[in-house]
Amino acid sequence: AAGVIQSPRHLIKEKRETATLKCYPIPRHDTVYWYQQGPGQDPQFLISFYEKMQSDKGSIPDRFSAQQFSDYHSELNMSSLELGDSALYFCASSLAGASFSNYGYTFGSGTRLTVV
Amino acid sequence: AQTVTQSQPEMSVQEAETVTLSCTYDTSESDYYLFWYKQPPSRQMILVIRQEAYKQQNATENRFSVNFQKAAKSFSLKISDSQLGDAAMYFCAYSLNTGNQFYFGTGTSLTVIP
Repeated sequence: AAGVIQSPRHLIKEKRETATLKCYPIPRHDTVYWYQQGPGQDPQFLISFYEKMQSDKGSIPDRFSAQQFSDYHSELNMSSLELGDSALYFCASSLAGASFSNYGYTFGSGTRLTVV
Repeated sequence: AQTVTQSQPEMSVQEAETVTLSCTYDTSESDYYLFWYKQPPSRQMILVIRQEAYKQQNATENRFSVNFQKAAKSFSLKISDSQLGDAAMYFCAYSLNTGNQFYFGTGTSLTVIP
């Protein structure tokens, strides 16, 4: 079965650089979520999109922006990178309005961002 | 605000034995979902088990079962016949429904001793 695809799997950037992470949801899923998991920490919600519109916003820094495109894939753009941005960035997708017992909520394998 | 608390940062269990991971949560909602996710070193977040709050019956998935106490806002995970492959970080999570964000606990690192 198709899963949530994230690219790249690993990314190394220098301070003050920019990074773009991509997420391709499960086919027919219309909602995408982004989470940040710092070393040894639990995932923290950043932002979500439903039908290409921002649906919810969490602890996303102003230096970060994201969008969802017409094919439902999403990109997380991170500028002026700081050392503290080093983390695992998860994307998840779901079909909004569907019960969890039918469609669940599926995570990608994450992008490991290292800022040096 | 929703919060999820896992009071056991680390747990260990002997292979083939049973272990219970604790989770409590706080919410003012009556209808919600609770989850246990497993995160092995490969870092993939893998759904272990899911519980709908409106269901009184505890969810079970093979060797994994939950003890859901809605009034106490408690949601513990029991792993029976533990296997080496069960070693991972386990996160308890809460969500209102699809289209809503997940709130995670801080995780419990489970070690399985051969």
